[in-house]
Amino acid sequence: QSALTQPPSASGSPGQSVTISCTGTSSDVGGYNCVSWYQQHPGKAPKLIIYEVNKRPSGVPDRFSGSKSGNTASLTVSGLQAEDEADYYCASYAANYYAFGTGTKVSVL
Amino acid sequence: QVQLQESGPGLVKPSETLSLTCTVSGYSINSGYYWSWIRQSPEKGLEWIATINRGGDTYYNLSLKSRVSISVDTSKNQFSLKLSSVTAADTAVYYCVRYVAPIFYFDYWGQGALVTVSS
Repeated sequence: QSALTQPPSASGSPGQSVTISCTGTSSDVGGYNCVSWYQQHPGKAPKLIIYEVNKRPSGVPDRFSGSKSGNTASLTVSGLQAEDEADYYCASYAANYYAFGTGTKVSVL
Repeated sequence: QVQLQESGPGLVKPSETLSLTCTVSGYSINSGYYWSWIRQSPEKGLEWIATINRGGDTYYNLSLKSRVSISVDTSKNQFSLKLSSVTAADTAVYYCVRYVAPIFYFDYWGQGALVTVSS
C-alpha cells in the first residue's frame, strides 16, 4: 500500500498547458480504469475534477483532461488561468484500498 | 446540493480514542452510495481510512484496521469514525466524503476537521 508518485511541482504561464504525471503499479493505476484527480486550494477540501481516468464532473471546465498509459496517469490543464494555481492529487482504486498521489503544486507564473 | 459536515473534539490526548461524526444533508444515506473517511497530514498526505455503505458493510485501510471503526446511523443521516490508541502521528485534518462505487471516486467532501493529538 504505497502512495502514487507525482512530481512535487509544475508551472506554466497563463494560457499555457501543464501536464502532471501520476505513477503507480499494475496493482493500482495500471490494473483499473479508476483513476481520479482532485484540486485543492489552500485551506479548502479537495475537489473532484476527473474520474474514471478521463471523465469530468458537471461544472468542471474542459480545460482539464485526463489520460492513462500503462501504470502512469496524467492530468493536463490547458489554457492555464490564475485560479488553477493549487495542489493536485491523483487517486486510484487498488483492490480494497484507495491510493492517493503525493501531490503536485501547480504555479501560474 | 449534497453537503457533509464533520463534528467532534479538535484535541485528543495520546492513547485515547478519536471520535468524529459526519452529518449529511441534501441526500439520504439510505438512498445509496458509500461513505468514507479520509485524512490529510503534511507527513503522509491524503490517506484513505475507511468506507461504509447503508447496509453496514465496512472496508478498512489495513494499516489502521486494528484501531479503526466506522459506523452509520441512517435515522440521523450520519456516519461516524472511531480511532483508538491515538498518537501524534494521527494528527491530521479528517474529511468525511461520499464515495461512488463501483467506479471508485470521491465526489462530495466535507470541509474537514483538524484533530490534534497532544497532552
